[in-house]
Amino acid sequence: GENVEQHPSTLSVQEGDSAVIKCTYSDSASNYFPWYKQELGKGPQLIIDIRSNVGEKKDQRIAVTLNKTAKHFSLHITETQPEDSAVYFCAASTGGGSYIPTFGRGTSLIVHP
Amino acid sequence: GAVVSQHPSWVICKSGTSVKIECRSLDFQATTMFWYRQFPKQSLMLMATSNEGSKATYEQGVEKDKFLINHASLTLSTLTVTSAHPEDSSFYICSAPVASSGGYTQYFGPGTRLTVL
Repeated sequence: GENVEQHPSTLSVQEGDSAVIKCTYSDSASNYFPWYKQELGKGPQLIIDIRSNVGEKKDQRIAVTLNKTAKHFSLHITETQPEDSAVYFCAASTGGGSYIPTFGRGTSLIVHP
Repeated sequence: GAVVSQHPSWVICKSGTSVKIECRSLDFQATTMFWYRQFPKQSLMLMATSNEGSKATYEQGVEKDKFLINHASLTLSTLTVTSAHPEDSSFYICSAPVASSGGYTQYFGPGTRLTVL
């Protein structure tokens, strides 16, 4: 089955800095890669996603890049703000009607004011 | 985006009692919903797939008699933790897939914190 590795487990940055979280996956059939933000005591919230026919996608301060050859994808957050502090999960899933994602272990992002 | 709600948001119960958690899709129909369990500082663990009008599919190691799932309508799935014990204390989250260009996107509920005394 699919295996998703996520690094780092903890990331501490100063407000205004950029943050990068990286994930690798094992199943070359995976073609959908969502990123979720989970604040303390809440459910995961989809913040951005990318499909395998796209190499990069951007939404304001958040961007995701995908390298299918190397089987890795990354989340980039620019101009970080304290409210970006949360746990971020990457995930991967295959097509063909299977939409159960395999999650990474999560990255705790701490943005210091 | 699609909205998934859960009720209650938190519950405290005594050991040996049963607790029911509801998951609703508010603005779309969901023939399938998923139930996850999350321990502190850990990732989401898929427990089971809930299918409208049929039996749920449980992941390996999840006791189906312990965690009863019912998907009675296209907008409601329930998870009942039977004869709860302290080790069942956890954060339970449901999700539902929504069709989007090229596939499906999972939308999660806000979660239910269960504490068993």
